[in-house]
Amino acid sequence: EPEVTQTPSHQVTQMGQEVILRCVPISNHLYFYWYRQILGQKVEFLVSFYNNEISEKSEIFDDQFSVERPDGSNFTLKIRSTKLEDSAMYFCASSVTSDGGELFFGEGSRLTVL
Amino acid sequence: AQSVSQHNHHVILSEAASLELGCNYSYGGTVNLFWYVQYPGQHLQLLLKYFSGDPLVKGIKGFEAEFIKSKFSFNLRKPSVQWSDTAEYFCAVASYTGFQKLVFGTGTRLLVSP
Repeated sequence: EPEVTQTPSHQVTQMGQEVILRCVPISNHLYFYWYRQILGQKVEFLVSFYNNEISEKSEIFDDQFSVERPDGSNFTLKIRSTKLEDSAMYFCASSVTSDGGELFFGEGSRLTVL
Repeated sequence: AQSVSQHNHHVILSEAASLELGCNYSYGGTVNLFWYVQYPGQHLQLLLKYFSGDPLVKGIKGFEAEFIKSKFSFNLRKPSVQWSDTAEYFCAVASYTGFQKLVFGTGTRLLVSP
Protein backbone atom coordinates (compact mmCIF):
# COMPACT_ATOMS: atom_id res chain seq x y z
CA GLU A 1 0.00 0.00 0.00
CA PRO A 2 1.46 3.38 -0.94
CA GLU A 3 2.37 5.58 1.97
CA VAL A 4 3.77 8.96 2.87
CA THR A 5 7.30 8.70 4.22
CA GLN A 6 9.07 11.25 6.38
CA THR A 7 12.67 11.73 7.37
CA PRO A 8 14.20 12.07 9.84
CA SER A 9 12.02 10.35 12.38
CA HIS A 10 13.67 12.35 15.14
CA GLN A 11 15.94 15.37 15.01
CA VAL A 12 17.58 17.21 17.87
CA THR A 13 18.91 20.68 17.15
CA GLN A 14 20.20 23.74 18.91
CA MET A 15 18.11 26.89 19.08
CA GLY A 16 18.83 29.16 16.13
CA GLN A 17 19.84 26.36 13.79
CA GLU A 18 18.13 25.66 10.49
CA VAL A 19 16.19 22.44 10.13
CA ILE A 20 14.82 20.74 7.04
CA LEU A 21 12.18 18.05 7.39
CA ARG A 22 11.62 15.87 4.38
CA CYS A 23 8.57 14.12 3.07
CA VAL A 24 7.90 11.88 0.11
CA PRO A 25 4.17 12.06 -0.66
CA ILE A 26 2.27 9.34 -2.45
CA SER A 27 3.31 9.50 -6.08
CA ASN A 28 0.01 10.39 -7.80
CA HIS A 29 -1.05 12.90 -5.17
CA LEU A 30 -1.21 16.57 -6.05
CA TYR A 31 -1.86 18.32 -2.75
CA PHE A 32 0.62 18.41 0.10
CA TYR A 33 0.38 19.54 3.69
CA TRP A 34 2.29 20.03 6.88
CA TYR A 35 0.70 19.74 10.29
CA ARG A 36 2.33 19.79 13.68
CA GLN A 37 1.53 18.60 17.18
CA ILE A 38 3.21 20.13 20.19
CA LEU A 39 3.38 17.61 23.01
CA GLY A 40 0.05 17.43 24.79
CA GLN A 41 -1.67 19.76 22.35
CA LYS A 42 -3.82 19.45 19.26
CA VAL A 43 -2.65 18.59 15.78
CA GLU A 44 -2.48 21.97 14.01
CA PHE A 45 -2.55 22.85 10.34
CA LEU A 46 0.54 24.67 9.10
CA VAL A 47 0.38 24.89 5.33
CA SER A 48 -1.05 23.38 2.16
CA PHE A 49 0.76 23.31 -1.17
CA TYR A 50 -0.43 22.75 -4.70
CA ASN A 51 1.02 23.35 -8.13
CA ASN A 52 4.30 24.51 -6.65
CA GLU A 53 2.86 27.19 -4.49
CA ILE A 54 1.30 27.63 -1.08
CA SER A 55 -2.48 27.46 -1.29
CA GLU A 56 -3.20 28.19 2.35
CA LYS A 57 -1.20 28.77 5.51
CA SER A 58 -1.97 29.28 9.16
CA GLU A 59 -0.85 32.11 11.40
CA ILE A 60 1.73 29.72 12.84
CA PHE A 61 3.46 29.56 9.46
CA ASP A 62 5.46 32.76 9.74
CA ASP A 63 8.55 33.91 7.88
CA GLN A 64 10.70 31.38 9.71
CA PHE A 65 8.94 28.59 7.84
CA SER A 66 9.12 27.72 4.17
CA VAL A 67 8.07 24.79 2.02
CA GLU A 68 9.45 23.55 -1.22
CA ARG A 69 9.05 20.76 -3.70
CA PRO A 70 12.61 20.70 -5.01
CA ASP A 71 12.09 17.75 -7.32
CA GLY A 72 9.30 15.49 -8.45
CA SER A 73 9.14 13.48 -5.27
CA ASN A 74 10.23 15.39 -2.17
CA PHE A 75 8.27 17.96 -0.21
CA THR A 76 10.26 19.80 2.44
CA LEU A 77 9.56 22.00 5.42
CA LYS A 78 12.36 24.35 6.41
CA ILE A 79 12.56 26.18 9.68
CA ARG A 80 15.16 28.90 9.24
CA SER A 81 16.09 29.66 12.83
CA THR A 82 14.57 27.25 15.28
CA LYS A 83 13.07 28.32 18.58
CA LEU A 84 12.36 26.24 21.66
CA GLU A 85 8.65 26.44 20.91
CA ASP A 86 9.18 24.79 17.54
CA SER A 87 9.70 21.48 19.35
CA ALA A 88 6.88 19.29 18.12
CA MET A 89 5.93 16.34 15.97
CA TYR A 90 5.61 17.45 12.36
CA PHE A 91 3.29 15.48 10.11
CA CYS A 92 3.35 15.57 6.34
CA ALA A 93 0.22 14.61 4.42
CA SER A 94 -0.87 14.34 0.82
CA SER A 95 -4.09 13.92 -1.09
CA VAL A 96 -5.25 13.32 -4.62
CA THR A 97 -7.82 16.10 -4.64
CA SER A 98 -8.79 19.10 -2.57
CA ASP A 99 -12.54 18.57 -2.60
CA GLY A 100 -13.00 15.91 -0.02
CA GLY A 101 -10.38 13.31 -0.72
CA GLU A 102 -8.67 11.57 2.14
CA LEU A 103 -5.49 13.02 3.56
CA PHE A 104 -2.80 10.39 3.93
CA PHE A 105 -0.40 11.16 6.76
CA GLY A 106 3.19 10.19 7.32
CA GLU A 107 4.43 8.86 10.65
CA GLY A 108 5.83 12.20 11.64
CA SER A 109 9.19 13.78 12.37
CA ARG A 110 9.85 14.63 15.98
CA LEU A 111 11.82 17.87 16.32
CA THR A 112 13.48 18.70 19.62
CA VAL A 113 15.00 22.15 19.96
CA LEU A 114 17.44 22.61 22.85
CA ALA B 1 -13.12 30.17 13.74
CA GLN B 2 -13.67 26.47 13.76
CA SER B 3 -12.96 24.42 16.87
CA VAL B 4 -13.39 20.81 17.91
CA SER B 5 -13.93 19.45 21.41
CA GLN B 6 -13.36 15.89 22.43
CA HIS B 7 -14.67 15.38 25.89
CA ASN B 8 -12.92 12.17 26.84
CA HIS B 9 -9.16 12.41 27.03
CA HIS B 10 -8.59 8.88 28.30
CA VAL B 11 -10.94 5.93 28.06
CA ILE B 12 -10.29 2.47 29.44
CA LEU B 13 -12.54 -0.39 28.40
CA SER B 14 -12.56 -4.14 28.57
CA GLU B 15 -12.80 -6.17 25.41
CA ALA B 16 -16.35 -6.54 24.09
CA ALA B 17 -17.50 -3.35 25.79
CA SER B 18 -19.26 -0.75 23.70
CA LEU B 19 -17.51 2.48 22.81
CA GLU B 20 -18.76 5.98 22.26
CA LEU B 21 -16.36 8.89 21.93
CA GLY B 22 -17.82 12.35 21.94
CA CYS B 23 -16.96 15.08 19.45
CA ASN B 24 -18.52 18.52 19.19
CA TYR B 25 -17.52 21.18 16.74
CA SER B 26 -18.07 24.86 16.43
CA TYR B 27 -18.62 26.29 12.98
CA GLY B 28 -21.50 28.14 11.44
CA GLY B 29 -21.30 26.86 7.90
CA THR B 30 -21.30 23.54 6.08
CA VAL B 31 -18.62 21.23 7.36
CA ASN B 32 -16.88 18.03 6.52
CA LEU B 33 -16.24 15.78 9.51
CA PHE B 34 -13.62 13.13 10.07
CA TRP B 35 -12.38 10.63 12.60
CA TYR B 36 -8.73 9.65 12.41
CA VAL B 37 -7.00 6.95 14.42
CA GLN B 38 -3.35 6.66 15.38
CA TYR B 39 -2.23 3.22 16.51
CA PRO B 40 0.91 3.12 18.66
CA GLY B 41 3.95 3.97 16.57
CA GLN B 42 1.95 4.46 13.40
CA HIS B 43 0.64 7.32 11.30
CA LEU B 44 -2.77 8.94 11.40
CA GLN B 45 -5.29 6.90 9.43
CA LEU B 46 -8.76 7.85 8.32
CA LEU B 47 -11.48 5.86 10.10
CA LEU B 48 -14.46 7.52 8.47
CA LYS B 49 -15.74 10.80 7.11
CA TYR B 50 -18.98 12.64 6.61
CA PHE B 51 -19.57 15.10 3.80
CA SER B 52 -23.29 14.86 3.08
CA GLY B 53 -26.18 12.41 2.86
CA ASP B 54 -26.91 9.75 5.45
CA PRO B 55 -25.81 11.17 8.81
CA LEU B 56 -24.86 7.70 10.02
CA VAL B 57 -21.56 6.83 8.41
CA LYS B 58 -19.76 3.55 8.61
CA GLY B 59 -16.01 3.29 8.56
CA ILE B 60 -13.34 0.68 8.74
CA LYS B 61 -12.97 -1.93 11.48
CA GLY B 62 -16.61 -1.77 12.56
CA PHE B 63 -16.62 1.88 13.56
CA GLU B 64 -19.48 4.23 12.81
CA ALA B 65 -20.29 7.83 13.57
CA GLU B 66 -23.46 9.85 13.60
CA PHE B 67 -23.66 13.46 12.53
CA ILE B 68 -26.29 15.35 14.51
CA LYS B 69 -26.44 18.81 13.03
CA SER B 70 -28.65 20.29 15.75
CA LYS B 71 -26.14 19.25 18.39
CA PHE B 72 -23.02 20.04 16.35
CA SER B 73 -21.86 16.54 17.20
CA PHE B 74 -20.14 13.69 15.42
CA ASN B 75 -19.74 10.92 17.97
CA LEU B 76 -17.78 7.79 17.19
CA ARG B 77 -19.18 4.40 18.15
CA LYS B 78 -18.29 0.76 18.08
CA PRO B 79 -20.56 -1.89 19.58
CA SER B 80 -17.80 -4.22 20.75
CA VAL B 81 -14.18 -3.14 21.08
CA GLN B 82 -11.13 -5.35 20.71
CA TRP B 83 -7.68 -5.13 22.25
CA SER B 84 -6.40 -4.07 18.81
CA ASP B 85 -8.54 -0.91 19.00
CA THR B 86 -6.11 0.50 21.55
CA ALA B 87 -5.07 3.78 19.92
CA GLU B 88 -5.58 7.52 19.96
CA TYR B 89 -8.67 8.81 18.18
CA PHE B 90 -8.93 12.28 16.69
CA CYS B 91 -12.03 14.07 15.54
CA ALA B 92 -11.48 16.72 12.87
CA VAL B 93 -13.54 19.23 10.96
CA ALA B 94 -12.98 21.20 7.80
CA SER B 95 -15.10 23.85 6.24
CA TYR B 96 -16.87 22.85 3.05
CA THR B 97 -14.78 25.20 0.99
CA GLY B 98 -11.49 24.70 2.77
CA PHE B 99 -11.30 21.05 3.48
CA GLN B 100 -7.53 21.02 3.22
CA LYS B 101 -7.29 22.79 6.55
CA LEU B 102 -8.38 20.21 9.07
CA VAL B 103 -9.03 21.41 12.60
CA PHE B 104 -8.39 18.61 15.06
CA GLY B 105 -9.64 17.88 18.53
CA THR B 106 -7.20 17.08 21.31
CA GLY B 107 -7.62 13.35 20.83
CA THR B 108 -8.88 10.53 23.02
CA ARG B 109 -6.56 7.78 24.16
CA LEU B 110 -8.39 4.47 24.23
CA LEU B 111 -6.95 1.54 26.13
CA VAL B 112 -8.71 -1.78 25.70
CA SER B 113 -7.74 -4.40 28.21
CA PRO B 114 -7.95 -8.05 27.15
